[in-house]
Amino acid sequence: SQKIEQNSEALNIQEGKTATLTCNYTNYSPAYLQWYRQDPGRGPVFLLLIRENEKEKRKERLKVTFDTTLKQSLFHITASQPADSATYLCALDNTGGGNKLTFGTGTQLKVEL
Amino acid sequence: DVKVTQSSRYLVKRTGEKVFLECVQDMDHENMFWYRQDPGLGLRLIYFSYDVKMKEKGDIPEGYSVSREKKERFSLILESASTNQTSMYLCASSLLQAPSNEQFFGPGTRLTVL
Repeated sequence: SQKIEQNSEALNIQEGKTATLTCNYTNYSPAYLQWYRQDPGRGPVFLLLIRENEKEKRKERLKVTFDTTLKQSLFHITASQPADSATYLCALDNTGGGNKLTFGTGTQLKVEL
Repeated sequence: DVKVTQSSRYLVKRTGEKVFLECVQDMDHENMFWYRQDPGLGLRLIYFSYDVKMKEKGDIPEGYSVSREKKERFSLILESASTNQTSMYLCASSLLQAPSNEQFFGPGTRLTVL
C-alpha cells in the first residue's frame, strides 16, 4: 500500500538558517507532489506543487525538490523567520485518481530567535 | 477571497447521537472532501464528491455518510456517534481540472464525543 513518511520529530532551527524537511514515499509513482502549511487549530494551506518531470521548484524563500529515483521530496525554507513556525505536510496524488491526495503526517518546524 | 466554511469550530456530542457537519465553499469547485485529522495519523480521507449527488468512499468511511445536494455544500453525517470519532474534521474543495489541483481547506471542526 502507499506509504508517505515525514519526520515525526519536531525540527528546531535558529532564525536566518535554512530549514530542510523531508518527505519519503514507497509503493507509489505519483504524478505530482504538494506541500502545505498548517498552523495550530487551522486547516492546511497550499504552498507549492512539483510534478514528476520537474526536479526543482521555487517560490520566494521556498524551494522544493523531487527525486523520483530516491522517492523523496525535500522542502527548504531559506532565511527562516519565527513566522515560519508551523507544521508542514506533504501530499501526493492518490493512485485512485479523482484529484484525491494522500497526506503525510507532517513535520513541525519551530524557528527560534 | 476564496473561502471554505464549516458550520462549527467546536462541537460536543454524546455517544449515539446523530451528528451533522456542514461545509460550504464559494469557489464553484466540483470536488469536495471530508478528512479527519488525528495526532500521529495525519489527514485521512473519509469521503469525497466530484459532483452534485455523487460520492465516493475514501480510506476510512465506516461510521460516516455524506450528502451533496448542492454544488457548494457537502455534509458529513455521523449516524450514531462513538467516542472513537472524537477528532478534528476538515473539509476541503478543489477544481476538477486545475494546473495545481490544490485543495482549499476550511478551518476545521473539533468534535468531542462523550
